[in-house]
Amino acid sequence: NAGVTQTPKFQVLKTGQSMTLQCAQDMNHNSMYWYRQDPGMGLRLIYYSASEGTTDKGEVPNGYNVSRLNKREFSLRLESAAPSQTSVYFCASRNGGARTGELFFGEGSRLTVL
Amino acid sequence: GENVEQHPSTLSVQEGDSAVIKCTYSDSASNYFPWYKQELGKRPQLIIDIRSNVGEKKDQRIAVTLNKTAKHFSLHITETQPEDSAVYFCAAIYSGGSNYKLTFGKGTLLTVNP
Repeated sequence: NAGVTQTPKFQVLKTGQSMTLQCAQDMNHNSMYWYRQDPGMGLRLIYYSASEGTTDKGEVPNGYNVSRLNKREFSLRLESAAPSQTSVYFCASRNGGARTGELFFGEGSRLTVL
Repeated sequence: GENVEQHPSTLSVQEGDSAVIKCTYSDSASNYFPWYKQELGKRPQLIIDIRSNVGEKKDQRIAVTLNKTAKHFSLHITETQPEDSAVYFCAAIYSGGSNYKLTFGKGTLLTVNP
């Protein structure tokens, strides 16, 4: 039982390049989330998917796109990376039917845009 | 939307002392308040949570209190140990039916000095 798995763990991009962060969970959770973490800013929601087939914008969606490929996988794409997107990205999942709101996070992906 | 304020942003204590982190929230509909701990370079993990129908919850050395009237909740850590050093995040969540809205505070860096 791996929980939430993110790839890659580290990535360096040049401004304007594109890339996709992959996330998969094996807990049969309905809901999945992408957060970015910047110093002093806490965890800010980029996009989320409440269930397979649905996606919604969070607090900071500009410059990102997402795909809920199936119940297990939720990817985050940067079409044209900018230095302001340098951050640590966390994927998380949650059992949408549970009363508890516990989020299970991946290990994070550290992205640097030069 | 919901706004969660967390204080202090940094907290330094001596080993064995108590530490208190406070959060306020704005949306009276929020009904679930988790606390996450993030050790350096690691993923955030849930350490304790409280629901709006409970005023206090304790788990060994950590406790959380909730004042719904004042819209604030606090994390208390007693007999602090060096391994308690981490960033702590509070969150306020509305969880009802198919709706789920979560907002994190900006985090508190707790340092426990041996």
